[in-house]
Amino acid sequence: DAKTTQPNSMESNEEEPVHLPCNHSTISGTDYIHWYRQLPSQGPEYVIHGLTSNVNNRMASLAIAEDRKSSTLILHRATLRDAAVYYCILRDSGTYKYIFGTGTRLKVLA
Amino acid sequence: NAGVTQTPKFQVLKTGQSMTLQCAQDMNHNSMYWYRQDPGMGLRLIYYSASEGTTDKGEVPNGYNVSRLNKREFSLRLESAAPSQTSVYFCASSEWRGTSSKETQYFGPGTRLLVL
Repeated sequence: DAKTTQPNSMESNEEEPVHLPCNHSTISGTDYIHWYRQLPSQGPEYVIHGLTSNVNNRMASLAIAEDRKSSTLILHRATLRDAAVYYCILRDSGTYKYIFGTGTRLKVLA
Repeated sequence: NAGVTQTPKFQVLKTGQSMTLQCAQDMNHNSMYWYRQDPGMGLRLIYYSASEGTTDKGEVPNGYNVSRLNKREFSLRLESAAPSQTSVYFCASSEWRGTSSKETQYFGPGTRLLVL
């Protein structure tokens, strides 16, 4: 199973951009990179996903390295409501398994 | 449109008791999943069902059974609960699209289970 590595925790000031890194050196050519976040006492929620090109949606941007061995989730203006655990996940190609790591706990300071 | 719903929200069991966690989705998804999350950890897949009538083991299936009752419902049963099964259980669903790995999973709010 392809694995991801993320920092355990990060801090950001409110209304500043946040860059959450993820390493996935064993990624295969068909693995999509998914990001989910988990707010306190809730189930995970989808943030964004991509394959090769950078992706933007209303929640965030995903920057994928040219060799696809790393990616960065970008929150353009962090708010207090963005405080959560952010998971970078590779979907096991051809199977149904998402492999969740321990994620990055983002703390947003007012 | 409620998404993914789970019942109960919270349950306390004694060691050896049995119970069934219920999950339902109203998004007409074909795939459903059960995960557990222990304190400070990420989610681990217990069982999944790619489509109605099929179920398969995930990473940590021991001590659990599942039933895909119909396309909407996927239940998780603990036949003889143990303290090691104290955890938060999440159900999820997605629209599986063959070998593509891009589909999104939608999660329920979780069931908090305490086994004494």
